[in-house]
Amino acid sequence: GAVVSQHPSWVICKSGTSVKIECRSLDFQATTMFWYRQFPKQSLMLMATSNEGSKATYEQGVEKDKFLINHASLTLSTLTVTSAHPEDSSFYICSAQRENAEQYFGPGTRLTVT
Amino acid sequence: DAKTTQPPSMDCAEGRAANLPCNHSTISGNEYVYWYRQIHSQGPQYIIHGLKNNETNEMASLIITEDRKSSTLILPHATLRDTAVYYCIVRPLSGSARQLTFGSGTQLTVLP
Repeated sequence: GAVVSQHPSWVICKSGTSVKIECRSLDFQATTMFWYRQFPKQSLMLMATSNEGSKATYEQGVEKDKFLINHASLTLSTLTVTSAHPEDSSFYICSAQRENAEQYFGPGTRLTVT
Repeated sequence: DAKTTQPPSMDCAEGRAANLPCNHSTISGNEYVYWYRQIHSQGPQYIIHGLKNNETNEMASLIITEDRKSSTLILPHATLRDTAVYYCIVRPLSGSARQLTFGSGTQLTVLP
């Protein structure tokens, strides 16, 4: 299957700082990338959908100015958590998809804000 | 809202077949049934998908009822590494509504 990577796999940051998470499709070009968030013992919640070269579409309740998404190329999307707070601590997972094909997920990034 | 219903948990003996049910009584004609699994602290892994015919790949088999209102994922010889949360998701193959909506899934525990 297709491979999607995320970097970093885990990060600890102080409250008020910003953190950037990268998502790469390693062996295919992804027309669409998705960002999910997962709190402990809960299911994945879609945060936003991004298509290469266009603005991301955010789900209701997700602040676009806090969670900045850039999809600069067909193989790279980044999520920046700005002014992070402890309640932003979560498991962030990206997925990448070719046109009309399955979504493939990255391994996730564990963010802890102290 | 998730359009599927799954039991919250199931156990299976190692080496035996694991049969995971899913109800999707409101599935539309253009929606496929997808199965993903998530091993603890990892990203979800695609398993299989189907429209109305039974499907099989190297990981699993998918049996969809004739009325398409339910399906069963079969892991023919479960191993300890198959312990995970299994998600059944319905989504169209094309169009703007192709995002995946994850429900609560089924926690499968394979017992030694």
